[in-house]
Amino acid sequence: DGGITQSPKYLFRKEGQNVTLSCEQNLNHDAMYWYRQDPGQGLRLIYYSQIVNDFQKGDIAEGYSVSREKKESFPLTVTSAQKNPTAFYLCASSWGDGSYEQYFGPGTRLTVT
Amino acid sequence: GQQVMQIPQYQHVQEGEDFTTYCNSSTTLSNIQWYKQRPGGHPVFLIQLVKSGEVKKQKRLTFQFGEAKKNSSLHITATQTTDVGTYFCAGAGGTSYGKLTFGQGTILTVHP
Repeated sequence: DGGITQSPKYLFRKEGQNVTLSCEQNLNHDAMYWYRQDPGQGLRLIYYSQIVNDFQKGDIAEGYSVSREKKESFPLTVTSAQKNPTAFYLCASSWGDGSYEQYFGPGTRLTVT
Repeated sequence: GQQVMQIPQYQHVQEGEDFTTYCNSSTTLSNIQWYKQRPGGHPVFLIQLVKSGEVKKQKRLTFQFGEAKKNSSLHITATQTTDVGTYFCAGAGGTSYGKLTFGQGTILTVHP
């Protein structure tokens, strides 16, 4: 919420282009997450990171890449290999593993044509 | 991998009616969380349940965690128009240590 920012809110790209979505948090949280939301499918985990310089694939990592060089930043790159990139992307952070509540950013709506 | 199923997908109610959404996991959970997403917004944490058979209340909202820690429910008494949105359950534990697995969500609309 207030401590997580995502930019931009809306993003338009042409097919075949890579695009990077920004996620920054000032909550001093160790863990950060990227989700994709499509109508009727809830939130699907793309990548997550529990510590700086380490990250794990989620359920739908193909066509995406991430980095975690700083504690407060977890950018997501949607590559041209992602077959259906148009979606609402949500970044979240938490104090640690799945036993902690997650705080979500406002999201980025990506449209690829 | 772990799967979390949530029903119903949609629920339309008249203001003042009750509402319930159900969540079922394919594996035993260490905890379950509930989130609410208003239209056009992002998910916001509501509550976490940890103990077998646990029941928690927040005003008109009642949350339950099953005895086997594989299912949960959210019940809203006397819905109001401010209750509209999508309600998600999310489970942690088993093979998904370190992350949450979200249900598909229940979209609630309330007619005044």
